[in-house]
Amino acid sequence: DAGVTQSPTHLIKTRGQQVTLRCSPKSGHDTVSWYQQALGQGPQFIFQYYEEEERQRGNFPDRFSGHQFPNYSSELNVNALLLGDSALYLCASSRTGVTNSPLHFGNGTRLTVT
Amino acid sequence: AQSVTQLDSQVPVFEEAPVELRCNYSSSVSVYLFWYVQYPNQGLQLLLKYLSGSTLVKGINGFEAEFNKSQTSFHLRKPSVHISDTAEYFCAVMRAGTALIFGKGTTLSVSS
Repeated sequence: DAGVTQSPTHLIKTRGQQVTLRCSPKSGHDTVSWYQQALGQGPQFIFQYYEEEERQRGNFPDRFSGHQFPNYSSELNVNALLLGDSALYLCASSRTGVTNSPLHFGNGTRLTVT
Repeated sequence: AQSVTQLDSQVPVFEEAPVELRCNYSSSVSVYLFWYVQYPNQGLQLLLKYLSGSTLVKGINGFEAEFNKSQTSFHLRKPSVHISDTAEYFCAVMRAGTALIFGKGTTLSVSS
């Protein structure tokens, strides 16, 4: 049973560029959440997708956008990259309808902006 | 809005010693509480969760936590740690239907 998979594992971009990160949820899960984890910090909630729509959003600018596909996989897009966007980006999946279904996390994508 | 405070950023202990990682939360409504562990270069793994019922919650790898509503705390404990428990530990809180909010983490360092 595959867990949450993220790609790529590492990525180096230049300021001003755009990046797309990908996530496949755990089998049986239909909800995907994205988190940003800066070095030495706890994960910060970016947004959550369910039924191909953004359902909740944290305190992140519009440069951060996402998408969910019919197979429940998801993408996180970041435009106009800043040095401060360097972080580990974590994808987590869960199952709607299961009371407080715990989040299952992938191993993350390490983004470095130079 | 809810928030989480992990009271210790680093906790060094010797192998086979007991350990407690402290977590306080604030919320005006009922919440659900979680502890996650993160090993180097990996994602987060759920250790245990409190949703309702018994205030003493047992998790994986011999960890347990106690929910104390009056003190708004959810401290994580293990009676005897191993070298392999060295990792980053995150306390998290969630209201029904909202996103999971994490603390800043506690680094547990176990030495021999």
